[in-house]
Amino acid sequence: NAGVTQTPKFQVLKTGQSMTLQCAQDMNHNSMYWYRQDPGMGLRLIYYSASEGTTDKGEVPNGYNVSRLNKREFSLRLESAAPSQTSVYFCASSEDFGGAGTDTQYFGPGTRLTVL
Amino acid sequence: AQSVTQLGSHVSVSEGALVLLRCNYSSSVPPYLFWYVQYPNQGLQLLLKYTSAATLVKGINGFEAEFKKSETSFHLTKPSAHMSDAAEYFCAVSRNSNYQLIWGAGTKLIIKP
Repeated sequence: NAGVTQTPKFQVLKTGQSMTLQCAQDMNHNSMYWYRQDPGMGLRLIYYSASEGTTDKGEVPNGYNVSRLNKREFSLRLESAAPSQTSVYFCASSEDFGGAGTDTQYFGPGTRLTVL
Repeated sequence: AQSVTQLGSHVSVSEGALVLLRCNYSSSVPPYLFWYVQYPNQGLQLLLKYTSAATLVKGINGFEAEFKKSETSFHLTKPSAHMSDAAEYFCAVSRNSNYQLIWGAGTKLIIKP
């Protein structure tokens, strides 16, 4: 099993450009998440998807959109990138079904995004 | 609002010494508690998890953590540090609703030879 995979690993954008970060999991998990990690701030949840066909905002959703394409895939889109979105982005998945948030989350290797 | 505090952004110990990483949470309901580890340039992985079954939780790589309700703490320990333990460690608390974990800011563990 590959677990959680993310593409690309690195990306440099200019302000105003758009891009989509891809995430896929092969563990048949119900829930998927997008986080950003910034130094000294831990992880902040951008969006999550409790199940196929549903998405919800997390702590820092502004400037992002997501799509739960199917049970395996959950993409994150930046429509008009800003320097404040320079960060490391992690996708994660868990079995959670029902909203408790108590199951182990499995993380991808991350995407390092720089916006100039 | 719930919060998680990790004391010390950086902790430095000598190889073979005791590792103690501190985590305090604020919650009115006994939560689920997690410790995750992030090795350099990698994603996070679960180290251990408290689910109310036992207050002392054993994890991978010789780590363990003790849940102390009276102190609202979930400190992570390891009796003898190895060079391979150098990583960043995150404490997290489940809200028991809406899927969101509350994350601490992380503690970078440095191992001195």
